[in-house]
Amino acid sequence: EDQVTQSPEALRLQEGESSSLNCSYTVSGLRGLFWYRQDPGKGPEFLFTLYSAGEEKEKERLKATLTKKESFLHITAPKPEDSATYLCAVLSTGYSSASKIIFGSGTRLSIRP
Amino acid sequence: DSGVTQTPKHLITATGQRVTLRCSPRSGDLSVYWYQQSLDQGLQFLIQYYNGEERAKGNILERFSAQQFPDLHSELNLSSLELGDSALYFCASSVYDRGSGNTIYFGEGSWLTVV
Repeated sequence: EDQVTQSPEALRLQEGESSSLNCSYTVSGLRGLFWYRQDPGKGPEFLFTLYSAGEEKEKERLKATLTKKESFLHITAPKPEDSATYLCAVLSTGYSSASKIIFGSGTRLSIRP
Repeated sequence: DSGVTQTPKHLITATGQRVTLRCSPRSGDLSVYWYQQSLDQGLQFLIQYYNGEERAKGNILERFSAQQFPDLHSELNLSSLELGDSALYFCASSVYDRGSGNTIYFGEGSWLTVV
């Protein structure tokens, strides 16, 4: 069964303290891995799409990397406004060859000033 | 602003009732997805449509149904509502671009409260 697991569930950092969030996946055919940021009561905001192992993408203080089994979202020198839930999702081909997106449960990131 | 529009933003209704949530995808996007997000659960995939046709089904209850119209907007119908159906319902749409690949954008969601 396709599965996406994110760790840790919650992470509290001091402003400026860099860290990484993990997303491990087991899918029947990876067509893409997505990272989203979600603020409370809001829709997920698209950050990155990664397609193949070794691929990296950066946006401001965030950098996403992908291996064959997992992805990391590195956050460098975070600021309080980076506080949010970060969601990982995979786009896979299901049994019927129909595409479907599977989300992890997210990592709640809190940055203390 | 993602370009995906959902209405209504908030809805309060009684158990046993039926509601319809509406989604307008980004201009040019052919795929529409519906997701449910409850407080104690993550984003649960419900159903996907592509250019008017059902493409994939997730954990969608039989009391729920959806459709995508010729103008590509979509509706999610929830009937015989129960307290446990209270959640944030998201619509998302996607486009395939040769340069960036699949990019999926979410609307701001419809808050459904069943009392």
